[in-house]
Amino acid sequence: NAGVTQTPKFQVLKTGQSMTLQCAQDMNHNSMYWYRQDPGMGLRLIYYSASEGTTDKGEVPNGYNVSRLNKREFSLRLESAAPSQTSVYFCASSERRGLEQFFGPGTRLTVL
Amino acid sequence: KNEVEQSPQNLTAQEGEFITINCSYSVGISALHWLQQHPGGGIVSLFMLSSGKKKHGRLIATINIQEKHSSLHITASHPRDSAVYICAVWRETSGSRLTFGEGTQLTVNP
Repeated sequence: NAGVTQTPKFQVLKTGQSMTLQCAQDMNHNSMYWYRQDPGMGLRLIYYSASEGTTDKGEVPNGYNVSRLNKREFSLRLESAAPSQTSVYFCASSERRGLEQFFGPGTRLTVL
Repeated sequence: KNEVEQSPQNLTAQEGEFITINCSYSVGISALHWLQQHPGGGIVSLFMLSSGKKKHGRLIATINIQEKHSSLHITASHPRDSAVYICAVWRETSGSRLTFGEGTQLTVNP
């Protein structure tokens, strides 16, 4: 089993460009999450999907959109990237809310 | 003040030492996670606990719900234990949101 996979691993964007971060899990988990990690801030939740077909805002949703494409896949879209979105992005999944989360390897995004 | 506070922020130890990392939180929780972030960036779940104590190999995690405090202990530390250790809590009223501490950077020297 691959666990949680993310693509791409690295990305550089110019201000105003758009992109989609992809996440997939093969553990048949119901819940999936997108986090960003910034120095001195800890991990912060951007959006989550408690189950297939549902998505909800987390702590820092502004500037992002998500799609829970099916049970396996949960994508994060930046419509118009800003330098403040420079960060490391982690996708995670859990069997259901409140249980142990499994993390992907992360995407390091730089917005110039 | 952060809802989840970890101490120390940085810790340097010699190989073989017993290590303790502390986590204090100020909100009601249903469970607490300990996570390890490797130097390459990957995050691994170590423990999830809601009461008492759990042990896995050289790692031990304890939680005191009344005192709102958890500790992560590493016995016989090794350089490969060098990583950032992160405490996170499931708040009772947050629905699906984990609240994370900022992490403790551990360096174990040979």
